[in-house]
Amino acid sequence: KAGVTQTPRYLIKTRGQQVTLSCSPISGHRSVSWYQQTPGQGLQFLFEYFSETQRNKGNFPGRFSGRQFSNSRSEMNVSTLELGDSALYLCASRNRRDYTTTDTQYFGPGTRLTVL
Amino acid sequence: TQLLEQSPQFLSIQEGENLTVYCNSSSVFSSLQWYRQEPGEGPVLLVTVVTGGEVKKLKRLTFQFGDARKDSSLHITAAQPGDTGLYLCAGLQMYSGGGADGLTFGKGTHLIIQP
Repeated sequence: KAGVTQTPRYLIKTRGQQVTLSCSPISGHRSVSWYQQTPGQGLQFLFEYFSETQRNKGNFPGRFSGRQFSNSRSEMNVSTLELGDSALYLCASRNRRDYTTTDTQYFGPGTRLTVL
Repeated sequence: TQLLEQSPQFLSIQEGENLTVYCNSSSVFSSLQWYRQEPGEGPVLLVTVVTGGEVKKLKRLTFQFGDARKDSSLHITAAQPGDTGLYLCAGLQMYSGGGADGLTFGKGTHLIIQP
């Protein structure tokens, strides 16, 4: 079974631009979560989607948005990029809507975004 | 304030030595997970502990969940260069009626095992 894939793997943008990142979950998984990872803050939750509906959202500004398609693939968009948005953006998939104590979340390799 | 505090932040030791890393919180968690992340990759789940006092072993790695389910430790025996990576703990807090908002991650421990 193929793992979680994310494209592109690396991206360089300039301040003020916008960016769209893509995530394809493991086949059969309908829950997709996005995280931002930085050296200073660690892994921070952005949002989670299940069956095209956003179920949870972390504490990030409205410049960060996402969506999920009917085939469970997900995209996240960051508008008006700032230097502080430079980070590794990770996507993770699960096969259930609700969390259980023994859930396994599978992460993709991430997209490394650099904002100049 | 970080909900899950991991210590140490950085650890560099020689191959063959033993080590312990910690994950502490003032909050109770329904379960706690440990992940390892290697450069250029996403985190990979190592273990999930659910019961207070639970101990799980994965080859040379021993994971323990505190009795009060507020803390956890990871002990590595006879560390090898292949153990090098970022070790992350993540906690899940379930609501009394079921469901959860998702995992909360610590900032991680950067572990380097030198040959």
